[in-house]
Order: sequence, then C-alpha cells, then structure tokens
Amino acid sequence: NAGVTQTPKFRVLKTGQSMTLLCAQDMNHEYMYWYRQDPGMGLRLIHYSVGEGTTAKGEVPDGYNVSRLKKQNFLLGLESAAPSQTSVYFCASGPDRAPSTDTQYFGPGTRLTVL
Amino acid sequence: GQQVMQIPQYQHVQEGEDFTTYCNSSTTLSNIQWYKQRPGGHPVFLIQLVKSGEVKKQKRLTFQFGEAKKNSSLHITATQTTDVGTYFCAKDYGGSQGNLIFGKGTKLSVKP
Repeated sequence: NAGVTQTPKFRVLKTGQSMTLLCAQDMNHEYMYWYRQDPGMGLRLIHYSVGEGTTAKGEVPDGYNVSRLKKQNFLLGLESAAPSQTSVYFCASGPDRAPSTDTQYFGPGTRLTVL
Repeated sequence: GQQVMQIPQYQHVQEGEDFTTYCNSSTTLSNIQWYKQRPGGHPVFLIQLVKSGEVKKQKRLTFQFGEAKKNSSLHITATQTTDVGTYFCAKDYGGSQGNLIFGKGTKLSVKP
C-alpha cells in the first residue's frame, strides 16, 4: 500500500494563477481532509469529505475549492492564488469517524509558494 | 472555545534529559490524539487516549489523559536525537465528521 500520496510535492505560482493539488489514498477510507500548515499555526482544516461526492468546509475554506468524484481521490483547487496561500498543504484520510475508532493518515505534503 | 492549547511552544533539551508537553482544553474532551512531525515530514499518529485518567506507554513515551478529561500530557524519558520534531495534540471537533482540531504543537530540539 502506498498509503496517502500527494502531487505535486513542490509548486511555485504567481499571484492570480490557478492550480489543483491531488490527493490519493489506497486504504479505502471514507473520510478525507485537506489541511494547511503555517509556522506557529499548527494544522488548520480547509475542507473535508465524508464520502464520495460529498464535501464540506473546514476552519479556513476561503479561496479554496474541493472535489471528491472518486472515493480514493480528493482534489484541492486554488482558482486565483494569493501570497497568503503560501503554505504547506497536507492531505489526510481516515476510515470512519476517525477520533472514535481510528486515526488520520497524512500524505507527505505539498509545499506551495505564491509570488 | 474549540481550541486546544499546547505548552510549551518550544523546548530545547540536552540529550538524555526528560521532556514533557502539555495539552489543555477548556471543555471536556471525548478523546485526545497525539501526533509527531519530524522536520520536513508529515504528522504521524502516535496514540489515542479515551478514558479518564488513562496512561499509555510506548517505550520511552508516556501519555496521560487527565481525570477530568480536559488535559493531556506527553512525557519522554531520556530524550534521544531521534525524538526531535514537533508534537501535536488533537481533539475531536465533534459531530460525525471525524474532524480534528490540532494544537499548535511543541517543537522539541535535542542537543547531542
């Protein structure tokens, strides 16, 4: 099992450009999450999905969109990148209501810089 | 209201010294999870505590859940350079979404 994978690993964008981050998991997990991590801020939830075809907003959803067309994939989109979106983005997945029965498994992260 | 507070933010220790990080919540927690993130790496699950007063050990790591289920601690005995990283606690956001709220973490550095 590859676990949770993320592409790309690094990306540099100019302000106003768009891009999509891809997360894939091969553990047949229902729940998937997108976080951003900034220095001194810990991990903050952007969007999440509790199953194929469903998405919901997390703590910091503005400027991002997501889609979960397939159970194994969770895409994070930036329509018009801003310097404030410079961050490390982590995807995670979990088999069910994670804190009660299991844990969240994290991907290796995508380091995004917006100039 | 939804936050978990972690202290200290940074800790520098000499190899062989002990280390403790604390996680506090203003509300009663259903459970608490601990994660470790190595420099340049991703968070990795360490443990979950569910019961009041629960104590779990993993080799040199001891995890405790407070009696009132409002705080937790992670203690490392005789730190090693391999313990370097940031330790996060995370609590259940509530509801049925499986969301977690992470503390800001304690960054541990170990001087050999």
